[in-house]
Amino acid sequence: AQTVTQSQPEMSVQEAETVTLSCTYDTSENNYYLFWYKQPPSRQMILVIRQEAYKQQNATENRFSVNFQKAAKSFSLKISDSQLGDTAMYFCAFMKHQGSGNTPLVFGKGTRLSVIA
Amino acid sequence: AAGVIQSPRHLIKEKRETATLKCYPIPRHDTVYWYQQGPGQDPQFLISFYEKMQSDKGSIPDRFSAQQFSDYHSELNMSSLELGDSALYFCASSLIDWGVSSYNEQFFGPGTRLTVL
Repeated sequence: AQTVTQSQPEMSVQEAETVTLSCTYDTSENNYYLFWYKQPPSRQMILVIRQEAYKQQNATENRFSVNFQKAAKSFSLKISDSQLGDTAMYFCAFMKHQGSGNTPLVFGKGTRLSVIA
Repeated sequence: AAGVIQSPRHLIKEKRETATLKCYPIPRHDTVYWYQQGPGQDPQFLISFYEKMQSDKGSIPDRFSAQQFSDYHSELNMSSLELGDSALYFCASSLIDWGVSSYNEQFFGPGTRLTVL
């Protein structure tokens, strides 16, 4: 079974600064995907960024980037130029690729990020 | 673009009552996933369906059942409700691509907030 660990229950950052959220995972799979989801107070689940395990290049989406270390099973999220709208719960998630393409997400416990003006 | 629709958005029930949650996937999507997110918790996978057949099962209580209908919408039936069933229930849908290197993104609905009194 896969497990996802987020060791930082809460973090805060000043507006315009950079913050890094940590995530580690455990799996015996070789082919899988990793995600960061954002859940604002509205509780909607919003996909922030994804990383394919077979890709060595770290994914980036505007102000969001990841540091994917496959051997260390680490997948951190860096938010640059933090904005007040980034305040939310952030979940790291794992999905294995079975070839059937039909696998559920396994989530970490989440990190609550507060951006301070 | 059309999104995943869940109804109702809010539901209040008494202990021992039954509840039915509905999920309408994005048009042409063939797979539905159900997740349960308790207060302050991460989403937990309950069950999934592909082409109207159950495809995976997670931590779904025996009191719960679900199915996917011919029009691909899905219903989660919950009986003998307990206080601990109070949670946000997400439905997500995806379109399965059987390609080896494909990625089948799960699109989340807004959730149904169930409160059991």
